[in-house]
Amino acid sequence: EVQLLESGGGLVQPGGSLTISCAASGFTFSSHSMSWVRQAPGKGLEWVSHISSTSGTTYYADSVRGRFTISRDSSKNTVYLQMNSLRADDTAVYYCARLAIVRGVPQNFDSWGQGTLVTVSS
Amino acid sequence: EIVMTQSPATLSVSPGERATLSCRASQSVSSSLAWYQQKPGQAPRLLIYGASTRATGIPARFSGSGSGTEFTLTISSLQSEDFAIYYCQQYNNWPPWTFGQGTRVEIK
Repeated sequence: EVQLLESGGGLVQPGGSLTISCAASGFTFSSHSMSWVRQAPGKGLEWVSHISSTSGTTYYADSVRGRFTISRDSSKNTVYLQMNSLRADDTAVYYCARLAIVRGVPQNFDSWGQGTLVTVSS
Repeated sequence: EIVMTQSPATLSVSPGERATLSCRASQSVSSSLAWYQQKPGQAPRLLIYGASTRATGIPARFSGSGSGTEFTLTISSLQSEDFAIYYCQQYNNWPPWTFGQGTRVEIK
């Protein structure tokens, strides 16, 4: 069974930093791209960042580019999101999501973690 | 960036009735369209991918159709557990992967 377990969320002041993690199990971690998707309170889903299966390629939403960094550690089956210069509008539940792969090309998000809440407030 | 637009924002349906949800893409996404269900306090769950293929374990009352820019999610006979928010998402042109704003299906 695929499991994605996020951790590390919490309260941080504006301008501060936080790193959240996603521990994966139940599948071959090195075969899948991974993404972070967030959801502000009462709002819809927003894709944030993506990392390829080999860590060779990363992508970021315009809203976080230059402030957030995605990485992965295959020895720990874990994906990270380092968030710097946090703003109030970064407040959201952050979900880790696995991408389905077809002929090596990332597709839809086929598994999701339960999410971790990041609150940016003074 | 491909913009996904869902309609209606809220759909009021009685249990046992059919629900039809729409999703439109600002440009063609071929059949690279997924639907997700989200219940309060829970993570999204994949329902449909490839516009019309049900994910593992999804009941047959859920069906998807469409291609290009117009897509539909149909729930043939609403059960109590189907009242939730539904999101469409395109994965034809990325980054970014983009979602619709969601359709809330509520009890009439």
